[in-house]
Amino acid sequence: NAGVMQNPRHLVRRRGQEARLRCSPMKGHSHVYWYRQLPEEGLKFMVYLQKENIIDESGMPKERFSAEFPKEGPSILRIQQVVRGDSAAYFCASSPWKAGGSSHNEQFFGPGTRLTVL
Amino acid sequence: QKEVEQDPGPLSVPEGAIVSLNCTYSNSAFQYFMWYRQYSRKGPELLMYTYSSGNKEDGRFTAQVDKSSKYISLFIRDSQPSDSATYLCAMASGGSYIPTFGRGTSLIVHP
Repeated sequence: NAGVMQNPRHLVRRRGQEARLRCSPMKGHSHVYWYRQLPEEGLKFMVYLQKENIIDESGMPKERFSAEFPKEGPSILRIQQVVRGDSAAYFCASSPWKAGGSSHNEQFFGPGTRLTVL
Repeated sequence: QKEVEQDPGPLSVPEGAIVSLNCTYSNSAFQYFMWYRQYSRKGPELLMYTYSSGNKEDGRFTAQVDKSSKYISLFIRDSQPSDSATYLCAMASGGSYIPTFGRGTSLIVHP
């Protein structure tokens, strides 16, 4: 069973360009979470999605950032008009559905995408 | 005050030592407590997951939760150089699907 997959692993963009980060959850997992990690900081929650639904995007900046998890295909985190401050490691995690919701605490992380904005 | 406090270290120990990693928290609603290990330039890996207070053991790892003190610990026995990594604590309240992470403690186990 393959783990959570993310690509690309490294992404370099110039200011003003768009960045698209992709995440394929573990097989059988229906919950996807995106986090951002900056040096000297912990993981910061961005958005939680289920298939075709954004459940919670309270951690996502209001502008330039969007996420989707279509019925078919990977989840996408999209950053428009990137700025230098967007440079960070972006991690995707997935968890299975379990009654009671406790599975949210058993998140399996991908290897991350390291975004560098020049 | 941050919801979850974790000393970033680095914590340097000799091979074979017992390692104690700790986090404190302020939100009394937290009921689920997790420890993740993150190697350099890799994604976090879930090590231990406990609910409420008490101890949980898995091989060389023991997780301990003291809800009365709002304090959690991860103990690593017979530490190995391969344990060198950053250890992140995380916790969540019942019904919340978003864990709150500590900053992580960098552990270095030298031969």
